[in-house]
Amino acid sequence: SYILTQPPSVSVAPGQTAKIPCRGANIGFKSVHWYQQRPGQAPLLVVYNDRQRPSGIPDRISGSSSQNLATLTVIRAEDGDGADYYCQVWDSDSENVIFGGGTSLT
Amino acid sequence: QVQLQQWGAGLLKPSETLSLTCAVYGGTFSDHYWNWVRQTPGKGLEWIGEIRHTGATKYAPALKRRVVMSIDLFMKQFSLRLTSVTAADSGVYYCALGETHYQLESWGQGTLVSVTS
Repeated sequence: SYILTQPPSVSVAPGQTAKIPCRGANIGFKSVHWYQQRPGQAPLLVVYNDRQRPSGIPDRISGSSSQNLATLTVIRAEDGDGADYYCQVWDSDSENVIFGGGTSLT
Repeated sequence: QVQLQQWGAGLLKPSETLSLTCAVYGGTFSDHYWNWVRQTPGKGLEWIGEIRHTGATKYAPALKRRVVMSIDLFMKQFSLRLTSVTAADSGVYYCALGETHYQLESWGQGTLVSVTS
């Protein structure tokens, strides 16, 4: 079945830029979505269809995707950005929603 | 703005059936896909399946033998039943509103389910 691979953690200094990778075979041909999850809370959609943001999500957060890599970028990182981030796609071959293992942004 | 509120039994014994319901407030019930997702220590976030207002369903291949989803258009609610639970089914279960490309736009508050003898 389709696999999405994320690093367990990414560190960023306040004010700097964080890049969270999500690797999957030919992920550039799929619609990639990203979620932010703070402790004790439900996931929150922050990017959908590779690079679109739901209303209310700051433009400091952006997404990109090509070939075998999708990336969530957080610029001017703030303390409040510390959370777990998950990538997600629909795999039409297995007819299954696939999540990455999640990355803790600290 | 669609809001989801879920409820159900949180403590189960092995072999019992998990039963959860999610109520939808706001929005148009027929415009979306209604999903269940769980988060377990062993597997992280895991999609369980979806149901449309027509009653059409899609279930995750690994769970489809044990999952049944249903929908009540009048009450604007949808439900999950997972049979023959084991300790591996313990975790937080979420209902979620899905869109065309399977992005999950709104989530319920989550229900902690523990399976223990």
